[in-house]
Amino acid sequence: RKEVEQDPGPFNVPEGATVAFNCTYSNSASQSFFWYRQDCRKEPKLLMSVYSSGNEDGRFTAQLNRASQYISLLIRDSKLSDSATYLCVVRLLAGGATNKLIFGTGTLLAVQP
Amino acid sequence: DGGITQSPKYLFRKEGQNVTLSCEQNLNHDAMYWYRQDPGQGLRLIYYSQIVNDFQKGDIAEGYSVSREKKESFPLTVTSAQKNPTAFYLCASRIRGFDTEAFFGQGTRLTVV
Repeated sequence: RKEVEQDPGPFNVPEGATVAFNCTYSNSASQSFFWYRQDCRKEPKLLMSVYSSGNEDGRFTAQLNRASQYISLLIRDSKLSDSATYLCVVRLLAGGATNKLIFGTGTLLAVQP
Repeated sequence: DGGITQSPKYLFRKEGQNVTLSCEQNLNHDAMYWYRQDPGQGLRLIYYSQIVNDFQKGDIAEGYSVSREKKESFPLTVTSAQKNPTAFYLCASRIRGFDTEAFFGQGTRLTVV
């Protein structure tokens, strides 16, 4: 089983739609959680961190469920510019390695006009 | 300006040759990472380093080697033992031990000809 799993998509949605991405992780010792965005042929960039209490940044809401080992990202009122690949990222605590960052395979979002 | 720099952007290698990819950062980050990305895939961890003179294997270390002699530098050597080296290679760095984002370089596209 992969350490971090995501639905690869693609998700094709119309402008203005609400879209949700899900991510599951297998290691209960996971410490920190993030969503990154990657545009085509570019490097990934941080979209938002994910906190236990849930957090929101404008149209974006991230949630964490430690009991179910599940992370989600909700995008409201989708824009054309939201089209990208969204990567779920987990920082692992494993022995002395507290800085191992594991990426999911990413979910491709295509927002249609 | 602070940042993380990878060079070269494009690299062509003949089969059987070793090649070294450069990664330099002036962000004073302790932790550095190398990932490989294949078309339509997520990022897979090759090696990571938490401090100078220390590094750990990631999930796909076979056929690769690294060194961390200076805090600013984390070069990756793709050896002839790597059977399928054509890919997009991404280097990242972050502050060790905090829930902070990883900053990525712009990547190196390696093609074996």
